[in-house]
Amino acid sequence: DTGVSQNPRHKITKRGQNVTFRCDPISEHNRLYWYRQTLGQGPEFLTYFQNEAQLEKSRLLSDRFSAERPKGSFSTLEIQRTEQGDSAMYLCASSPSGQGVGPQHFGDGTRLSIL
Amino acid sequence: AQSVTQLDSQVPVFEEAPVELRCNYSSSVSVYLFWYVQYPNQGLQLLLKYLSGSTLVKGINGFEAEFNKSQTSFHLRKPSVHISDTAEYFCAVTKTGGGNKLTFGTGTQLKVEL
Repeated sequence: DTGVSQNPRHKITKRGQNVTFRCDPISEHNRLYWYRQTLGQGPEFLTYFQNEAQLEKSRLLSDRFSAERPKGSFSTLEIQRTEQGDSAMYLCASSPSGQGVGPQHFGDGTRLSIL
Repeated sequence: AQSVTQLDSQVPVFEEAPVELRCNYSSSVSVYLFWYVQYPNQGLQLLLKYLSGSTLVKGINGFEAEFNKSQTSFHLRKPSVHISDTAEYFCAVTKTGGGNKLTFGTGTQLKVEL
């Protein structure tokens, strides 16, 4: 169990630029989740995948956001035309499915700062 | 939809004293409940979870929580805290059988002082 890995850990970019984050889940986990956490708040759900299928998206996920999970392994979250309000910690989590509720294991997140 | 309320944004406590962090939830369907801990610049680590069965749940690092359905609460307790317990604690809920997306509270900052 090598844990959930997220890259990069920090990203600083100018407003209007595109950014992409990567998440590598625990290898045997087929569910993968993205959350966003702003300062002083709890994480908020963005989207989740079961294998390669994106099964649910939050209304927080505007059309500037897109997430993919090709081949059901790693996932990417892209934000186009970044805005100041996109500054946050983006957390990825994974869990097994099929045998009750598997707890979600979180990565250390990618902190995005928009200049 | 589910919601979680953590009324205490900060809880200061002296080392070796007991502590209780409060969590109340709202849901029209059956739920599972979780407590996570977050250290600075890190992700969330699962402390404990309630799925079914005994309402008293024991977790890691000496923490425990009690599920109270009538009061819709899931308070976290530790009989004796240590400096290393200083962190942000989040209560979370998910409805049973539905993809397991978590709804989190706003968190409680536990500050343990000497």
